[in-house]
Amino acid sequence: EPEVTQTPSHQVTQMGQEVILRCVPISNHLYFYWYRQILGQKVEFLVSFYNNEISEKSEIFDDQFSVERPDGSNFTLKIRSTKLEDSAMYFCASSARGGGETQYFGPGTRLLVL
Amino acid sequence: AQSVTQLDSQVPVFEEAPVELRCNYSSSVSVYLFWYVQYPNQGLQLLLKYLSGSTLVKGINGFEAEFNKSQTSFHLRKPSVHISDTAEYFCAAGGYQKVTFGTGTKLQVIP
Repeated sequence: EPEVTQTPSHQVTQMGQEVILRCVPISNHLYFYWYRQILGQKVEFLVSFYNNEISEKSEIFDDQFSVERPDGSNFTLKIRSTKLEDSAMYFCASSARGGGETQYFGPGTRLLVL
Repeated sequence: AQSVTQLDSQVPVFEEAPVELRCNYSSSVSVYLFWYVQYPNQGLQLLLKYLSGSTLVKGINGFEAEFNKSQTSFHLRKPSVHISDTAEYFCAAGGYQKVTFGTGTKLQVIP
């Protein structure tokens, strides 16, 4: 069964450093998403991406965040200058369509900013 | 704007007993409703979803949920839980793309 994969599974970085989280969505999906879950808190939407551009983003997704689909398979989330409060589990998801179509989630990348 | 409320942060239940996990949503527009399960150190797995049609939705692992528009609820039920159901359960409401999650309910099944 096709699945969303994410790398790395864990990342530790120093405050102020740039990190890139990588995702490979399900191959025939057209919509891609990033969510994050701070430890002990709920899953929060960050951004959705369709047709090579951001289609919706939350207030969390400020200028230090960016997303890119550099090739036909990868979908990345870049955090330019990490802060302590960026420590969280980051989930990538993809769906074939919008409009209530099931979003399939990857296993997540646990980011720890020291 | 959508919001999702899960009133119970933890629900302990004995094995083979029934369980109901409560979820209420608010939205000014039609929503799609979901229940996801998260096992320890894993991602989110879809249990079931409601888009339209029959208000009783059946999902995987014997779970079902009922959409109640008048009460703006989408409670999750299982008639007999198993140890392997121990996990965190998230109710979520979706618009066209963004999905808004509740704070989660930890289901602890007691042997």
